[in-house]
Amino acid sequence: DAKTTQPNSMESNEEEPVHLPCNHSTISGTDYIHWYRQLPSQGPEYVIHGLTSNVNNRMASLAIAEDRKSSTLILHRATLRDAAVYYCILRDAAGGTSYGKLTFGQGTILTVHP
Amino acid sequence: DSGVTQTPKHLITATGQRVTLRCSPRSGDLSVYWYQQSLDQGLQFLIQYYNGEERAKGNILERFSAQQFPDLHSELNLSSLELGDSALYFCASVKGLGNTEAFFGQGTRLTVV
Repeated sequence: DAKTTQPNSMESNEEEPVHLPCNHSTISGTDYIHWYRQLPSQGPEYVIHGLTSNVNNRMASLAIAEDRKSSTLILHRATLRDAAVYYCILRDAAGGTSYGKLTFGQGTILTVHP
Repeated sequence: DSGVTQTPKHLITATGQRVTLRCSPRSGDLSVYWYQQSLDQGLQFLIQYYNGEERAKGNILERFSAQQFPDLHSELNLSSLELGDSALYFCASVKGLGNTEAFFGQGTRLTVV
């Protein structure tokens, strides 16, 4: 499976934007970039995903580098409720043996200060 | 509420015993994933089923087995339990195999004493 690299932890202040980086230098052309987050004592929660173009939804924005070797999850105004572990995951869409697999790495622990 | 139901929420059992964890996916979702999350290991992918068939296997021990039934609910069986099996077990459901979002249940917390 293609690997992602994220910082172990990041901190932010409430109501400020947060940029969570992810490196995926071995990404293949058919890998989608997914982001999930896990709040304390809960199951992971889908945040956003994309292939090549930047994506926006009600939770966040995903900025994907032109060469696709890195991406950034952007939370426009962090709240205390956004404190969680954020996972950047590559999902294969090529139909091979790893098609659809959802493999989590260590993620980034985001702390939000009031 | 993700729409994925896991039972029981908590389970305490002794070493050497066998337990069954149950997952009911969202209505219409065909794919179920199982994960184990312990404090020192993060979220470990165990196994995936799609429409009743095993689709992918991760770091699942031979003492563990799973199946997906015709009504699409899934069960994870853990036998000869050891202290190290104490963990949160999550299941996730996905509509198909592709890149749609996965919905996770609240997990079953297993404590082996």
